[in-house]
Amino acid sequence: AQKVTQAQTEISVVEKEDVTLDCVYETRDTTYYLFWYKQPPSGELVFLIRRNSFDEQNEISGRYSWNFQKSTSSFNFTITASQVVDSAVYFCALSEAVLGNQGGKLIFGQGTELSVKP
Amino acid sequence: NAGVTQTPKFQVLKTGQSMTLQCAQDMNHEYMSWYRQDPGMGLRLIHYSVGAGITDQGEVPNGYNVSRSTTEDFPLRLLSAAPSQTSVYFCASSTLPGQGAGELFFGEGSRLTVL
Repeated sequence: AQKVTQAQTEISVVEKEDVTLDCVYETRDTTYYLFWYKQPPSGELVFLIRRNSFDEQNEISGRYSWNFQKSTSSFNFTITASQVVDSAVYFCALSEAVLGNQGGKLIFGQGTELSVKP
Repeated sequence: NAGVTQTPKFQVLKTGQSMTLQCAQDMNHEYMSWYRQDPGMGLRLIHYSVGAGITDQGEVPNGYNVSRSTTEDFPLRLLSAAPSQTSVYFCASSTLPGQGAGELFFGEGSRLTVL
């Protein structure tokens, strides 16, 4: 069965610090997709990144970077030089790309609440 | 540019009442789903649909019904509300994985309180 674990419930940092949010997943499939979503205090869910299981290249987008390691079933998210606007709950999610009607379901981790203080 | 539209945004119910949360998307997405978000639990999948006329259960389907008569609409029905259904509900849609790996587009959420 699929499972996503975000062991860090809450993280608090001071502005300009780097911070890494951990995500560990479980799946029996060889083909799957991993996602990160951001939920700011306003409540909406904002898509950040999608990564498929065949692409282990790390990705960088501005101050955000993602480290995907299949060997450890991890898909960690790092924010460099954090800012107050990064304060939000961040969710990691997993989707198995199976055939038929099962395809497309996202299973979410519990979320990590990041607080960036000025 | 509507995307995914959920109504109502807020609702208070008494135990035993019924109601329907509406969800509509204008992106011609085949896949639609409903999640509930509770503190410390992340988002949990209630029901989902991969196309008109096709629905299936997610992780926490009990107490909820869905139907998918059109591609655009995916209403969630609470037949007899219980306090345990107090939550924030999100509707989401996407293309199917084979057509783009299913990035979910979410509605703004509906906060439901059952007294």
